[in-house]
Amino acid sequence: GAGVSQSPSNKVTEKGKDVELRCDPISGHTALYWYRQRLGQGLEFLIYFQGNSAPDKSGLPSDRFSAERTGGSVSTLTIQRTQQEDSAVYLCASSLVGAGTSGRNEQFFGPGTRLTVL
Amino acid sequence: AQKVTQAQTEISVVEKEDVTLDCVYETRDTTYYLFWYKQPPSGELVFLIRRNSFDEQNEISGRYSWNFQKSTSSFNFTITASQVVDSAVYFCALSETQTGANNLFFGTGTRLTVIP
Repeated sequence: GAGVSQSPSNKVTEKGKDVELRCDPISGHTALYWYRQRLGQGLEFLIYFQGNSAPDKSGLPSDRFSAERTGGSVSTLTIQRTQQEDSAVYLCASSLVGAGTSGRNEQFFGPGTRLTVL
Repeated sequence: AQKVTQAQTEISVVEKEDVTLDCVYETRDTTYYLFWYKQPPSGELVFLIRRNSFDEQNEISGRYSWNFQKSTSSFNFTITASQVVDSAVYFCALSETQTGANNLFFGTGTRLTVIP
């Protein structure tokens, strides 16, 4: 079946511009996550959506970052007034159930969006 | 404090050698999950295994095997008879159930290079 998809695959922008990154999770997955991976480093949690609950925004690095999940499916991560330190690969993942719960909580990742801020 | 430590930053082995990737974790939860992911050069993370804290049985899947030891808080991953296609960055991750954290805590990864 279809996996997690993300668009665009690459985004080059100028410092100060806003960007929107899109994620389509696996159909039927209730949980959706955004992570950031800087070059040569591990994954840094950004935000988590679970069903209709309020999102866990504890990983967002600043108020320039925000995310929405519409209709419990597609999610958009928005970065306003981009800075050079925002350059990274942004990864989206989804899971059947939430990370902190029992059951099928393994996360399946999309291919990522590589963001370059000039 | 780092919840997941992968002390080996890079490992190189010659094809057909066995290799073990170390993972040490830290948690106060009594119920938690451990994961391994593979990130090949293409960049997409591939799920390999999930293990819950109550199941210490070692698991084997083809050339892959995992050794979970609660006494040492370790969840090591062994590749037997390595192949060039195994070259990738491997991440160990932890999911907690009692702290309220909703994310996976990832280690910094181990880059494995298999030399033909």
